[in-house]
Amino acid sequence: ETGVTQSPTHLIKTRGQQVTLRCSSQSGHNTVSWYQQALGQGPQFIFQYYREEENGRGNFPPRFSGLQFPNYSSELNVNALELDDSALYLCASSDSRGVEETQYFGPGTRLLVL
Amino acid sequence: GESVGLHLPTLSVQEGDNSIINCAYSNSASDYFIWYKQESGKGPQFIIDIRSNMDKRQGQRVTVLLNKTVKHLSLQIAATQPGDSAVYFCAENILGFQKLVFGTGTRLLVSP
Repeated sequence: ETGVTQSPTHLIKTRGQQVTLRCSSQSGHNTVSWYQQALGQGPQFIFQYYREEENGRGNFPPRFSGLQFPNYSSELNVNALELDDSALYLCASSDSRGVEETQYFGPGTRLLVL
Repeated sequence: GESVGLHLPTLSVQEGDNSIINCAYSNSASDYFIWYKQESGKGPQFIIDIRSNMDKRQGQRVTVLLNKTVKHLSLQIAATQPGDSAVYFCAENILGFQKLVFGTGTRLLVSP
């Protein structure tokens, strides 16, 4: 186990709704990255948060947004849900202060949009 | 552009065999590579990593080889066990940049 936790584990929403996913980073880690993993695919980078600010973004529209809190935990918010947003959402924590930048993943939140 | 691809979508081996999972990458600027194992219903689990200033790194039962000339890396698993059955992803990164770029994965099936 990595010590990265995510909630909820599963979620069902309807098209047009909004969703908030949560992530607690591993102890000692100050950076959280979010990924979307469609069925049968590798994870796709959404964005990363460091020092409570967005620190890089992948090819995702602005309706994907996030937050990082002083305790380094993070939220991913998705507005105006679309059917294609159905996926496993993964967060990964890392420590940007040292040489080691390995990202350790949580178990994910599986989102189904109907 | 950046991409990470895998040669074989599925690899079937017998318990006790050695397994080799291959991966090609296209970004010559990538300098950090990681192998992850993902079991059904779980997040990716870190296995081993390698930086571009190395061509080989060994862990417990696993070895990663990096060939920068042909932009190829491989994961070797010695004495494969049924518990090794999972999807394996290689991922590439440029140190100091934020994102990991993953391939689509190789499914390893280990028969007893």
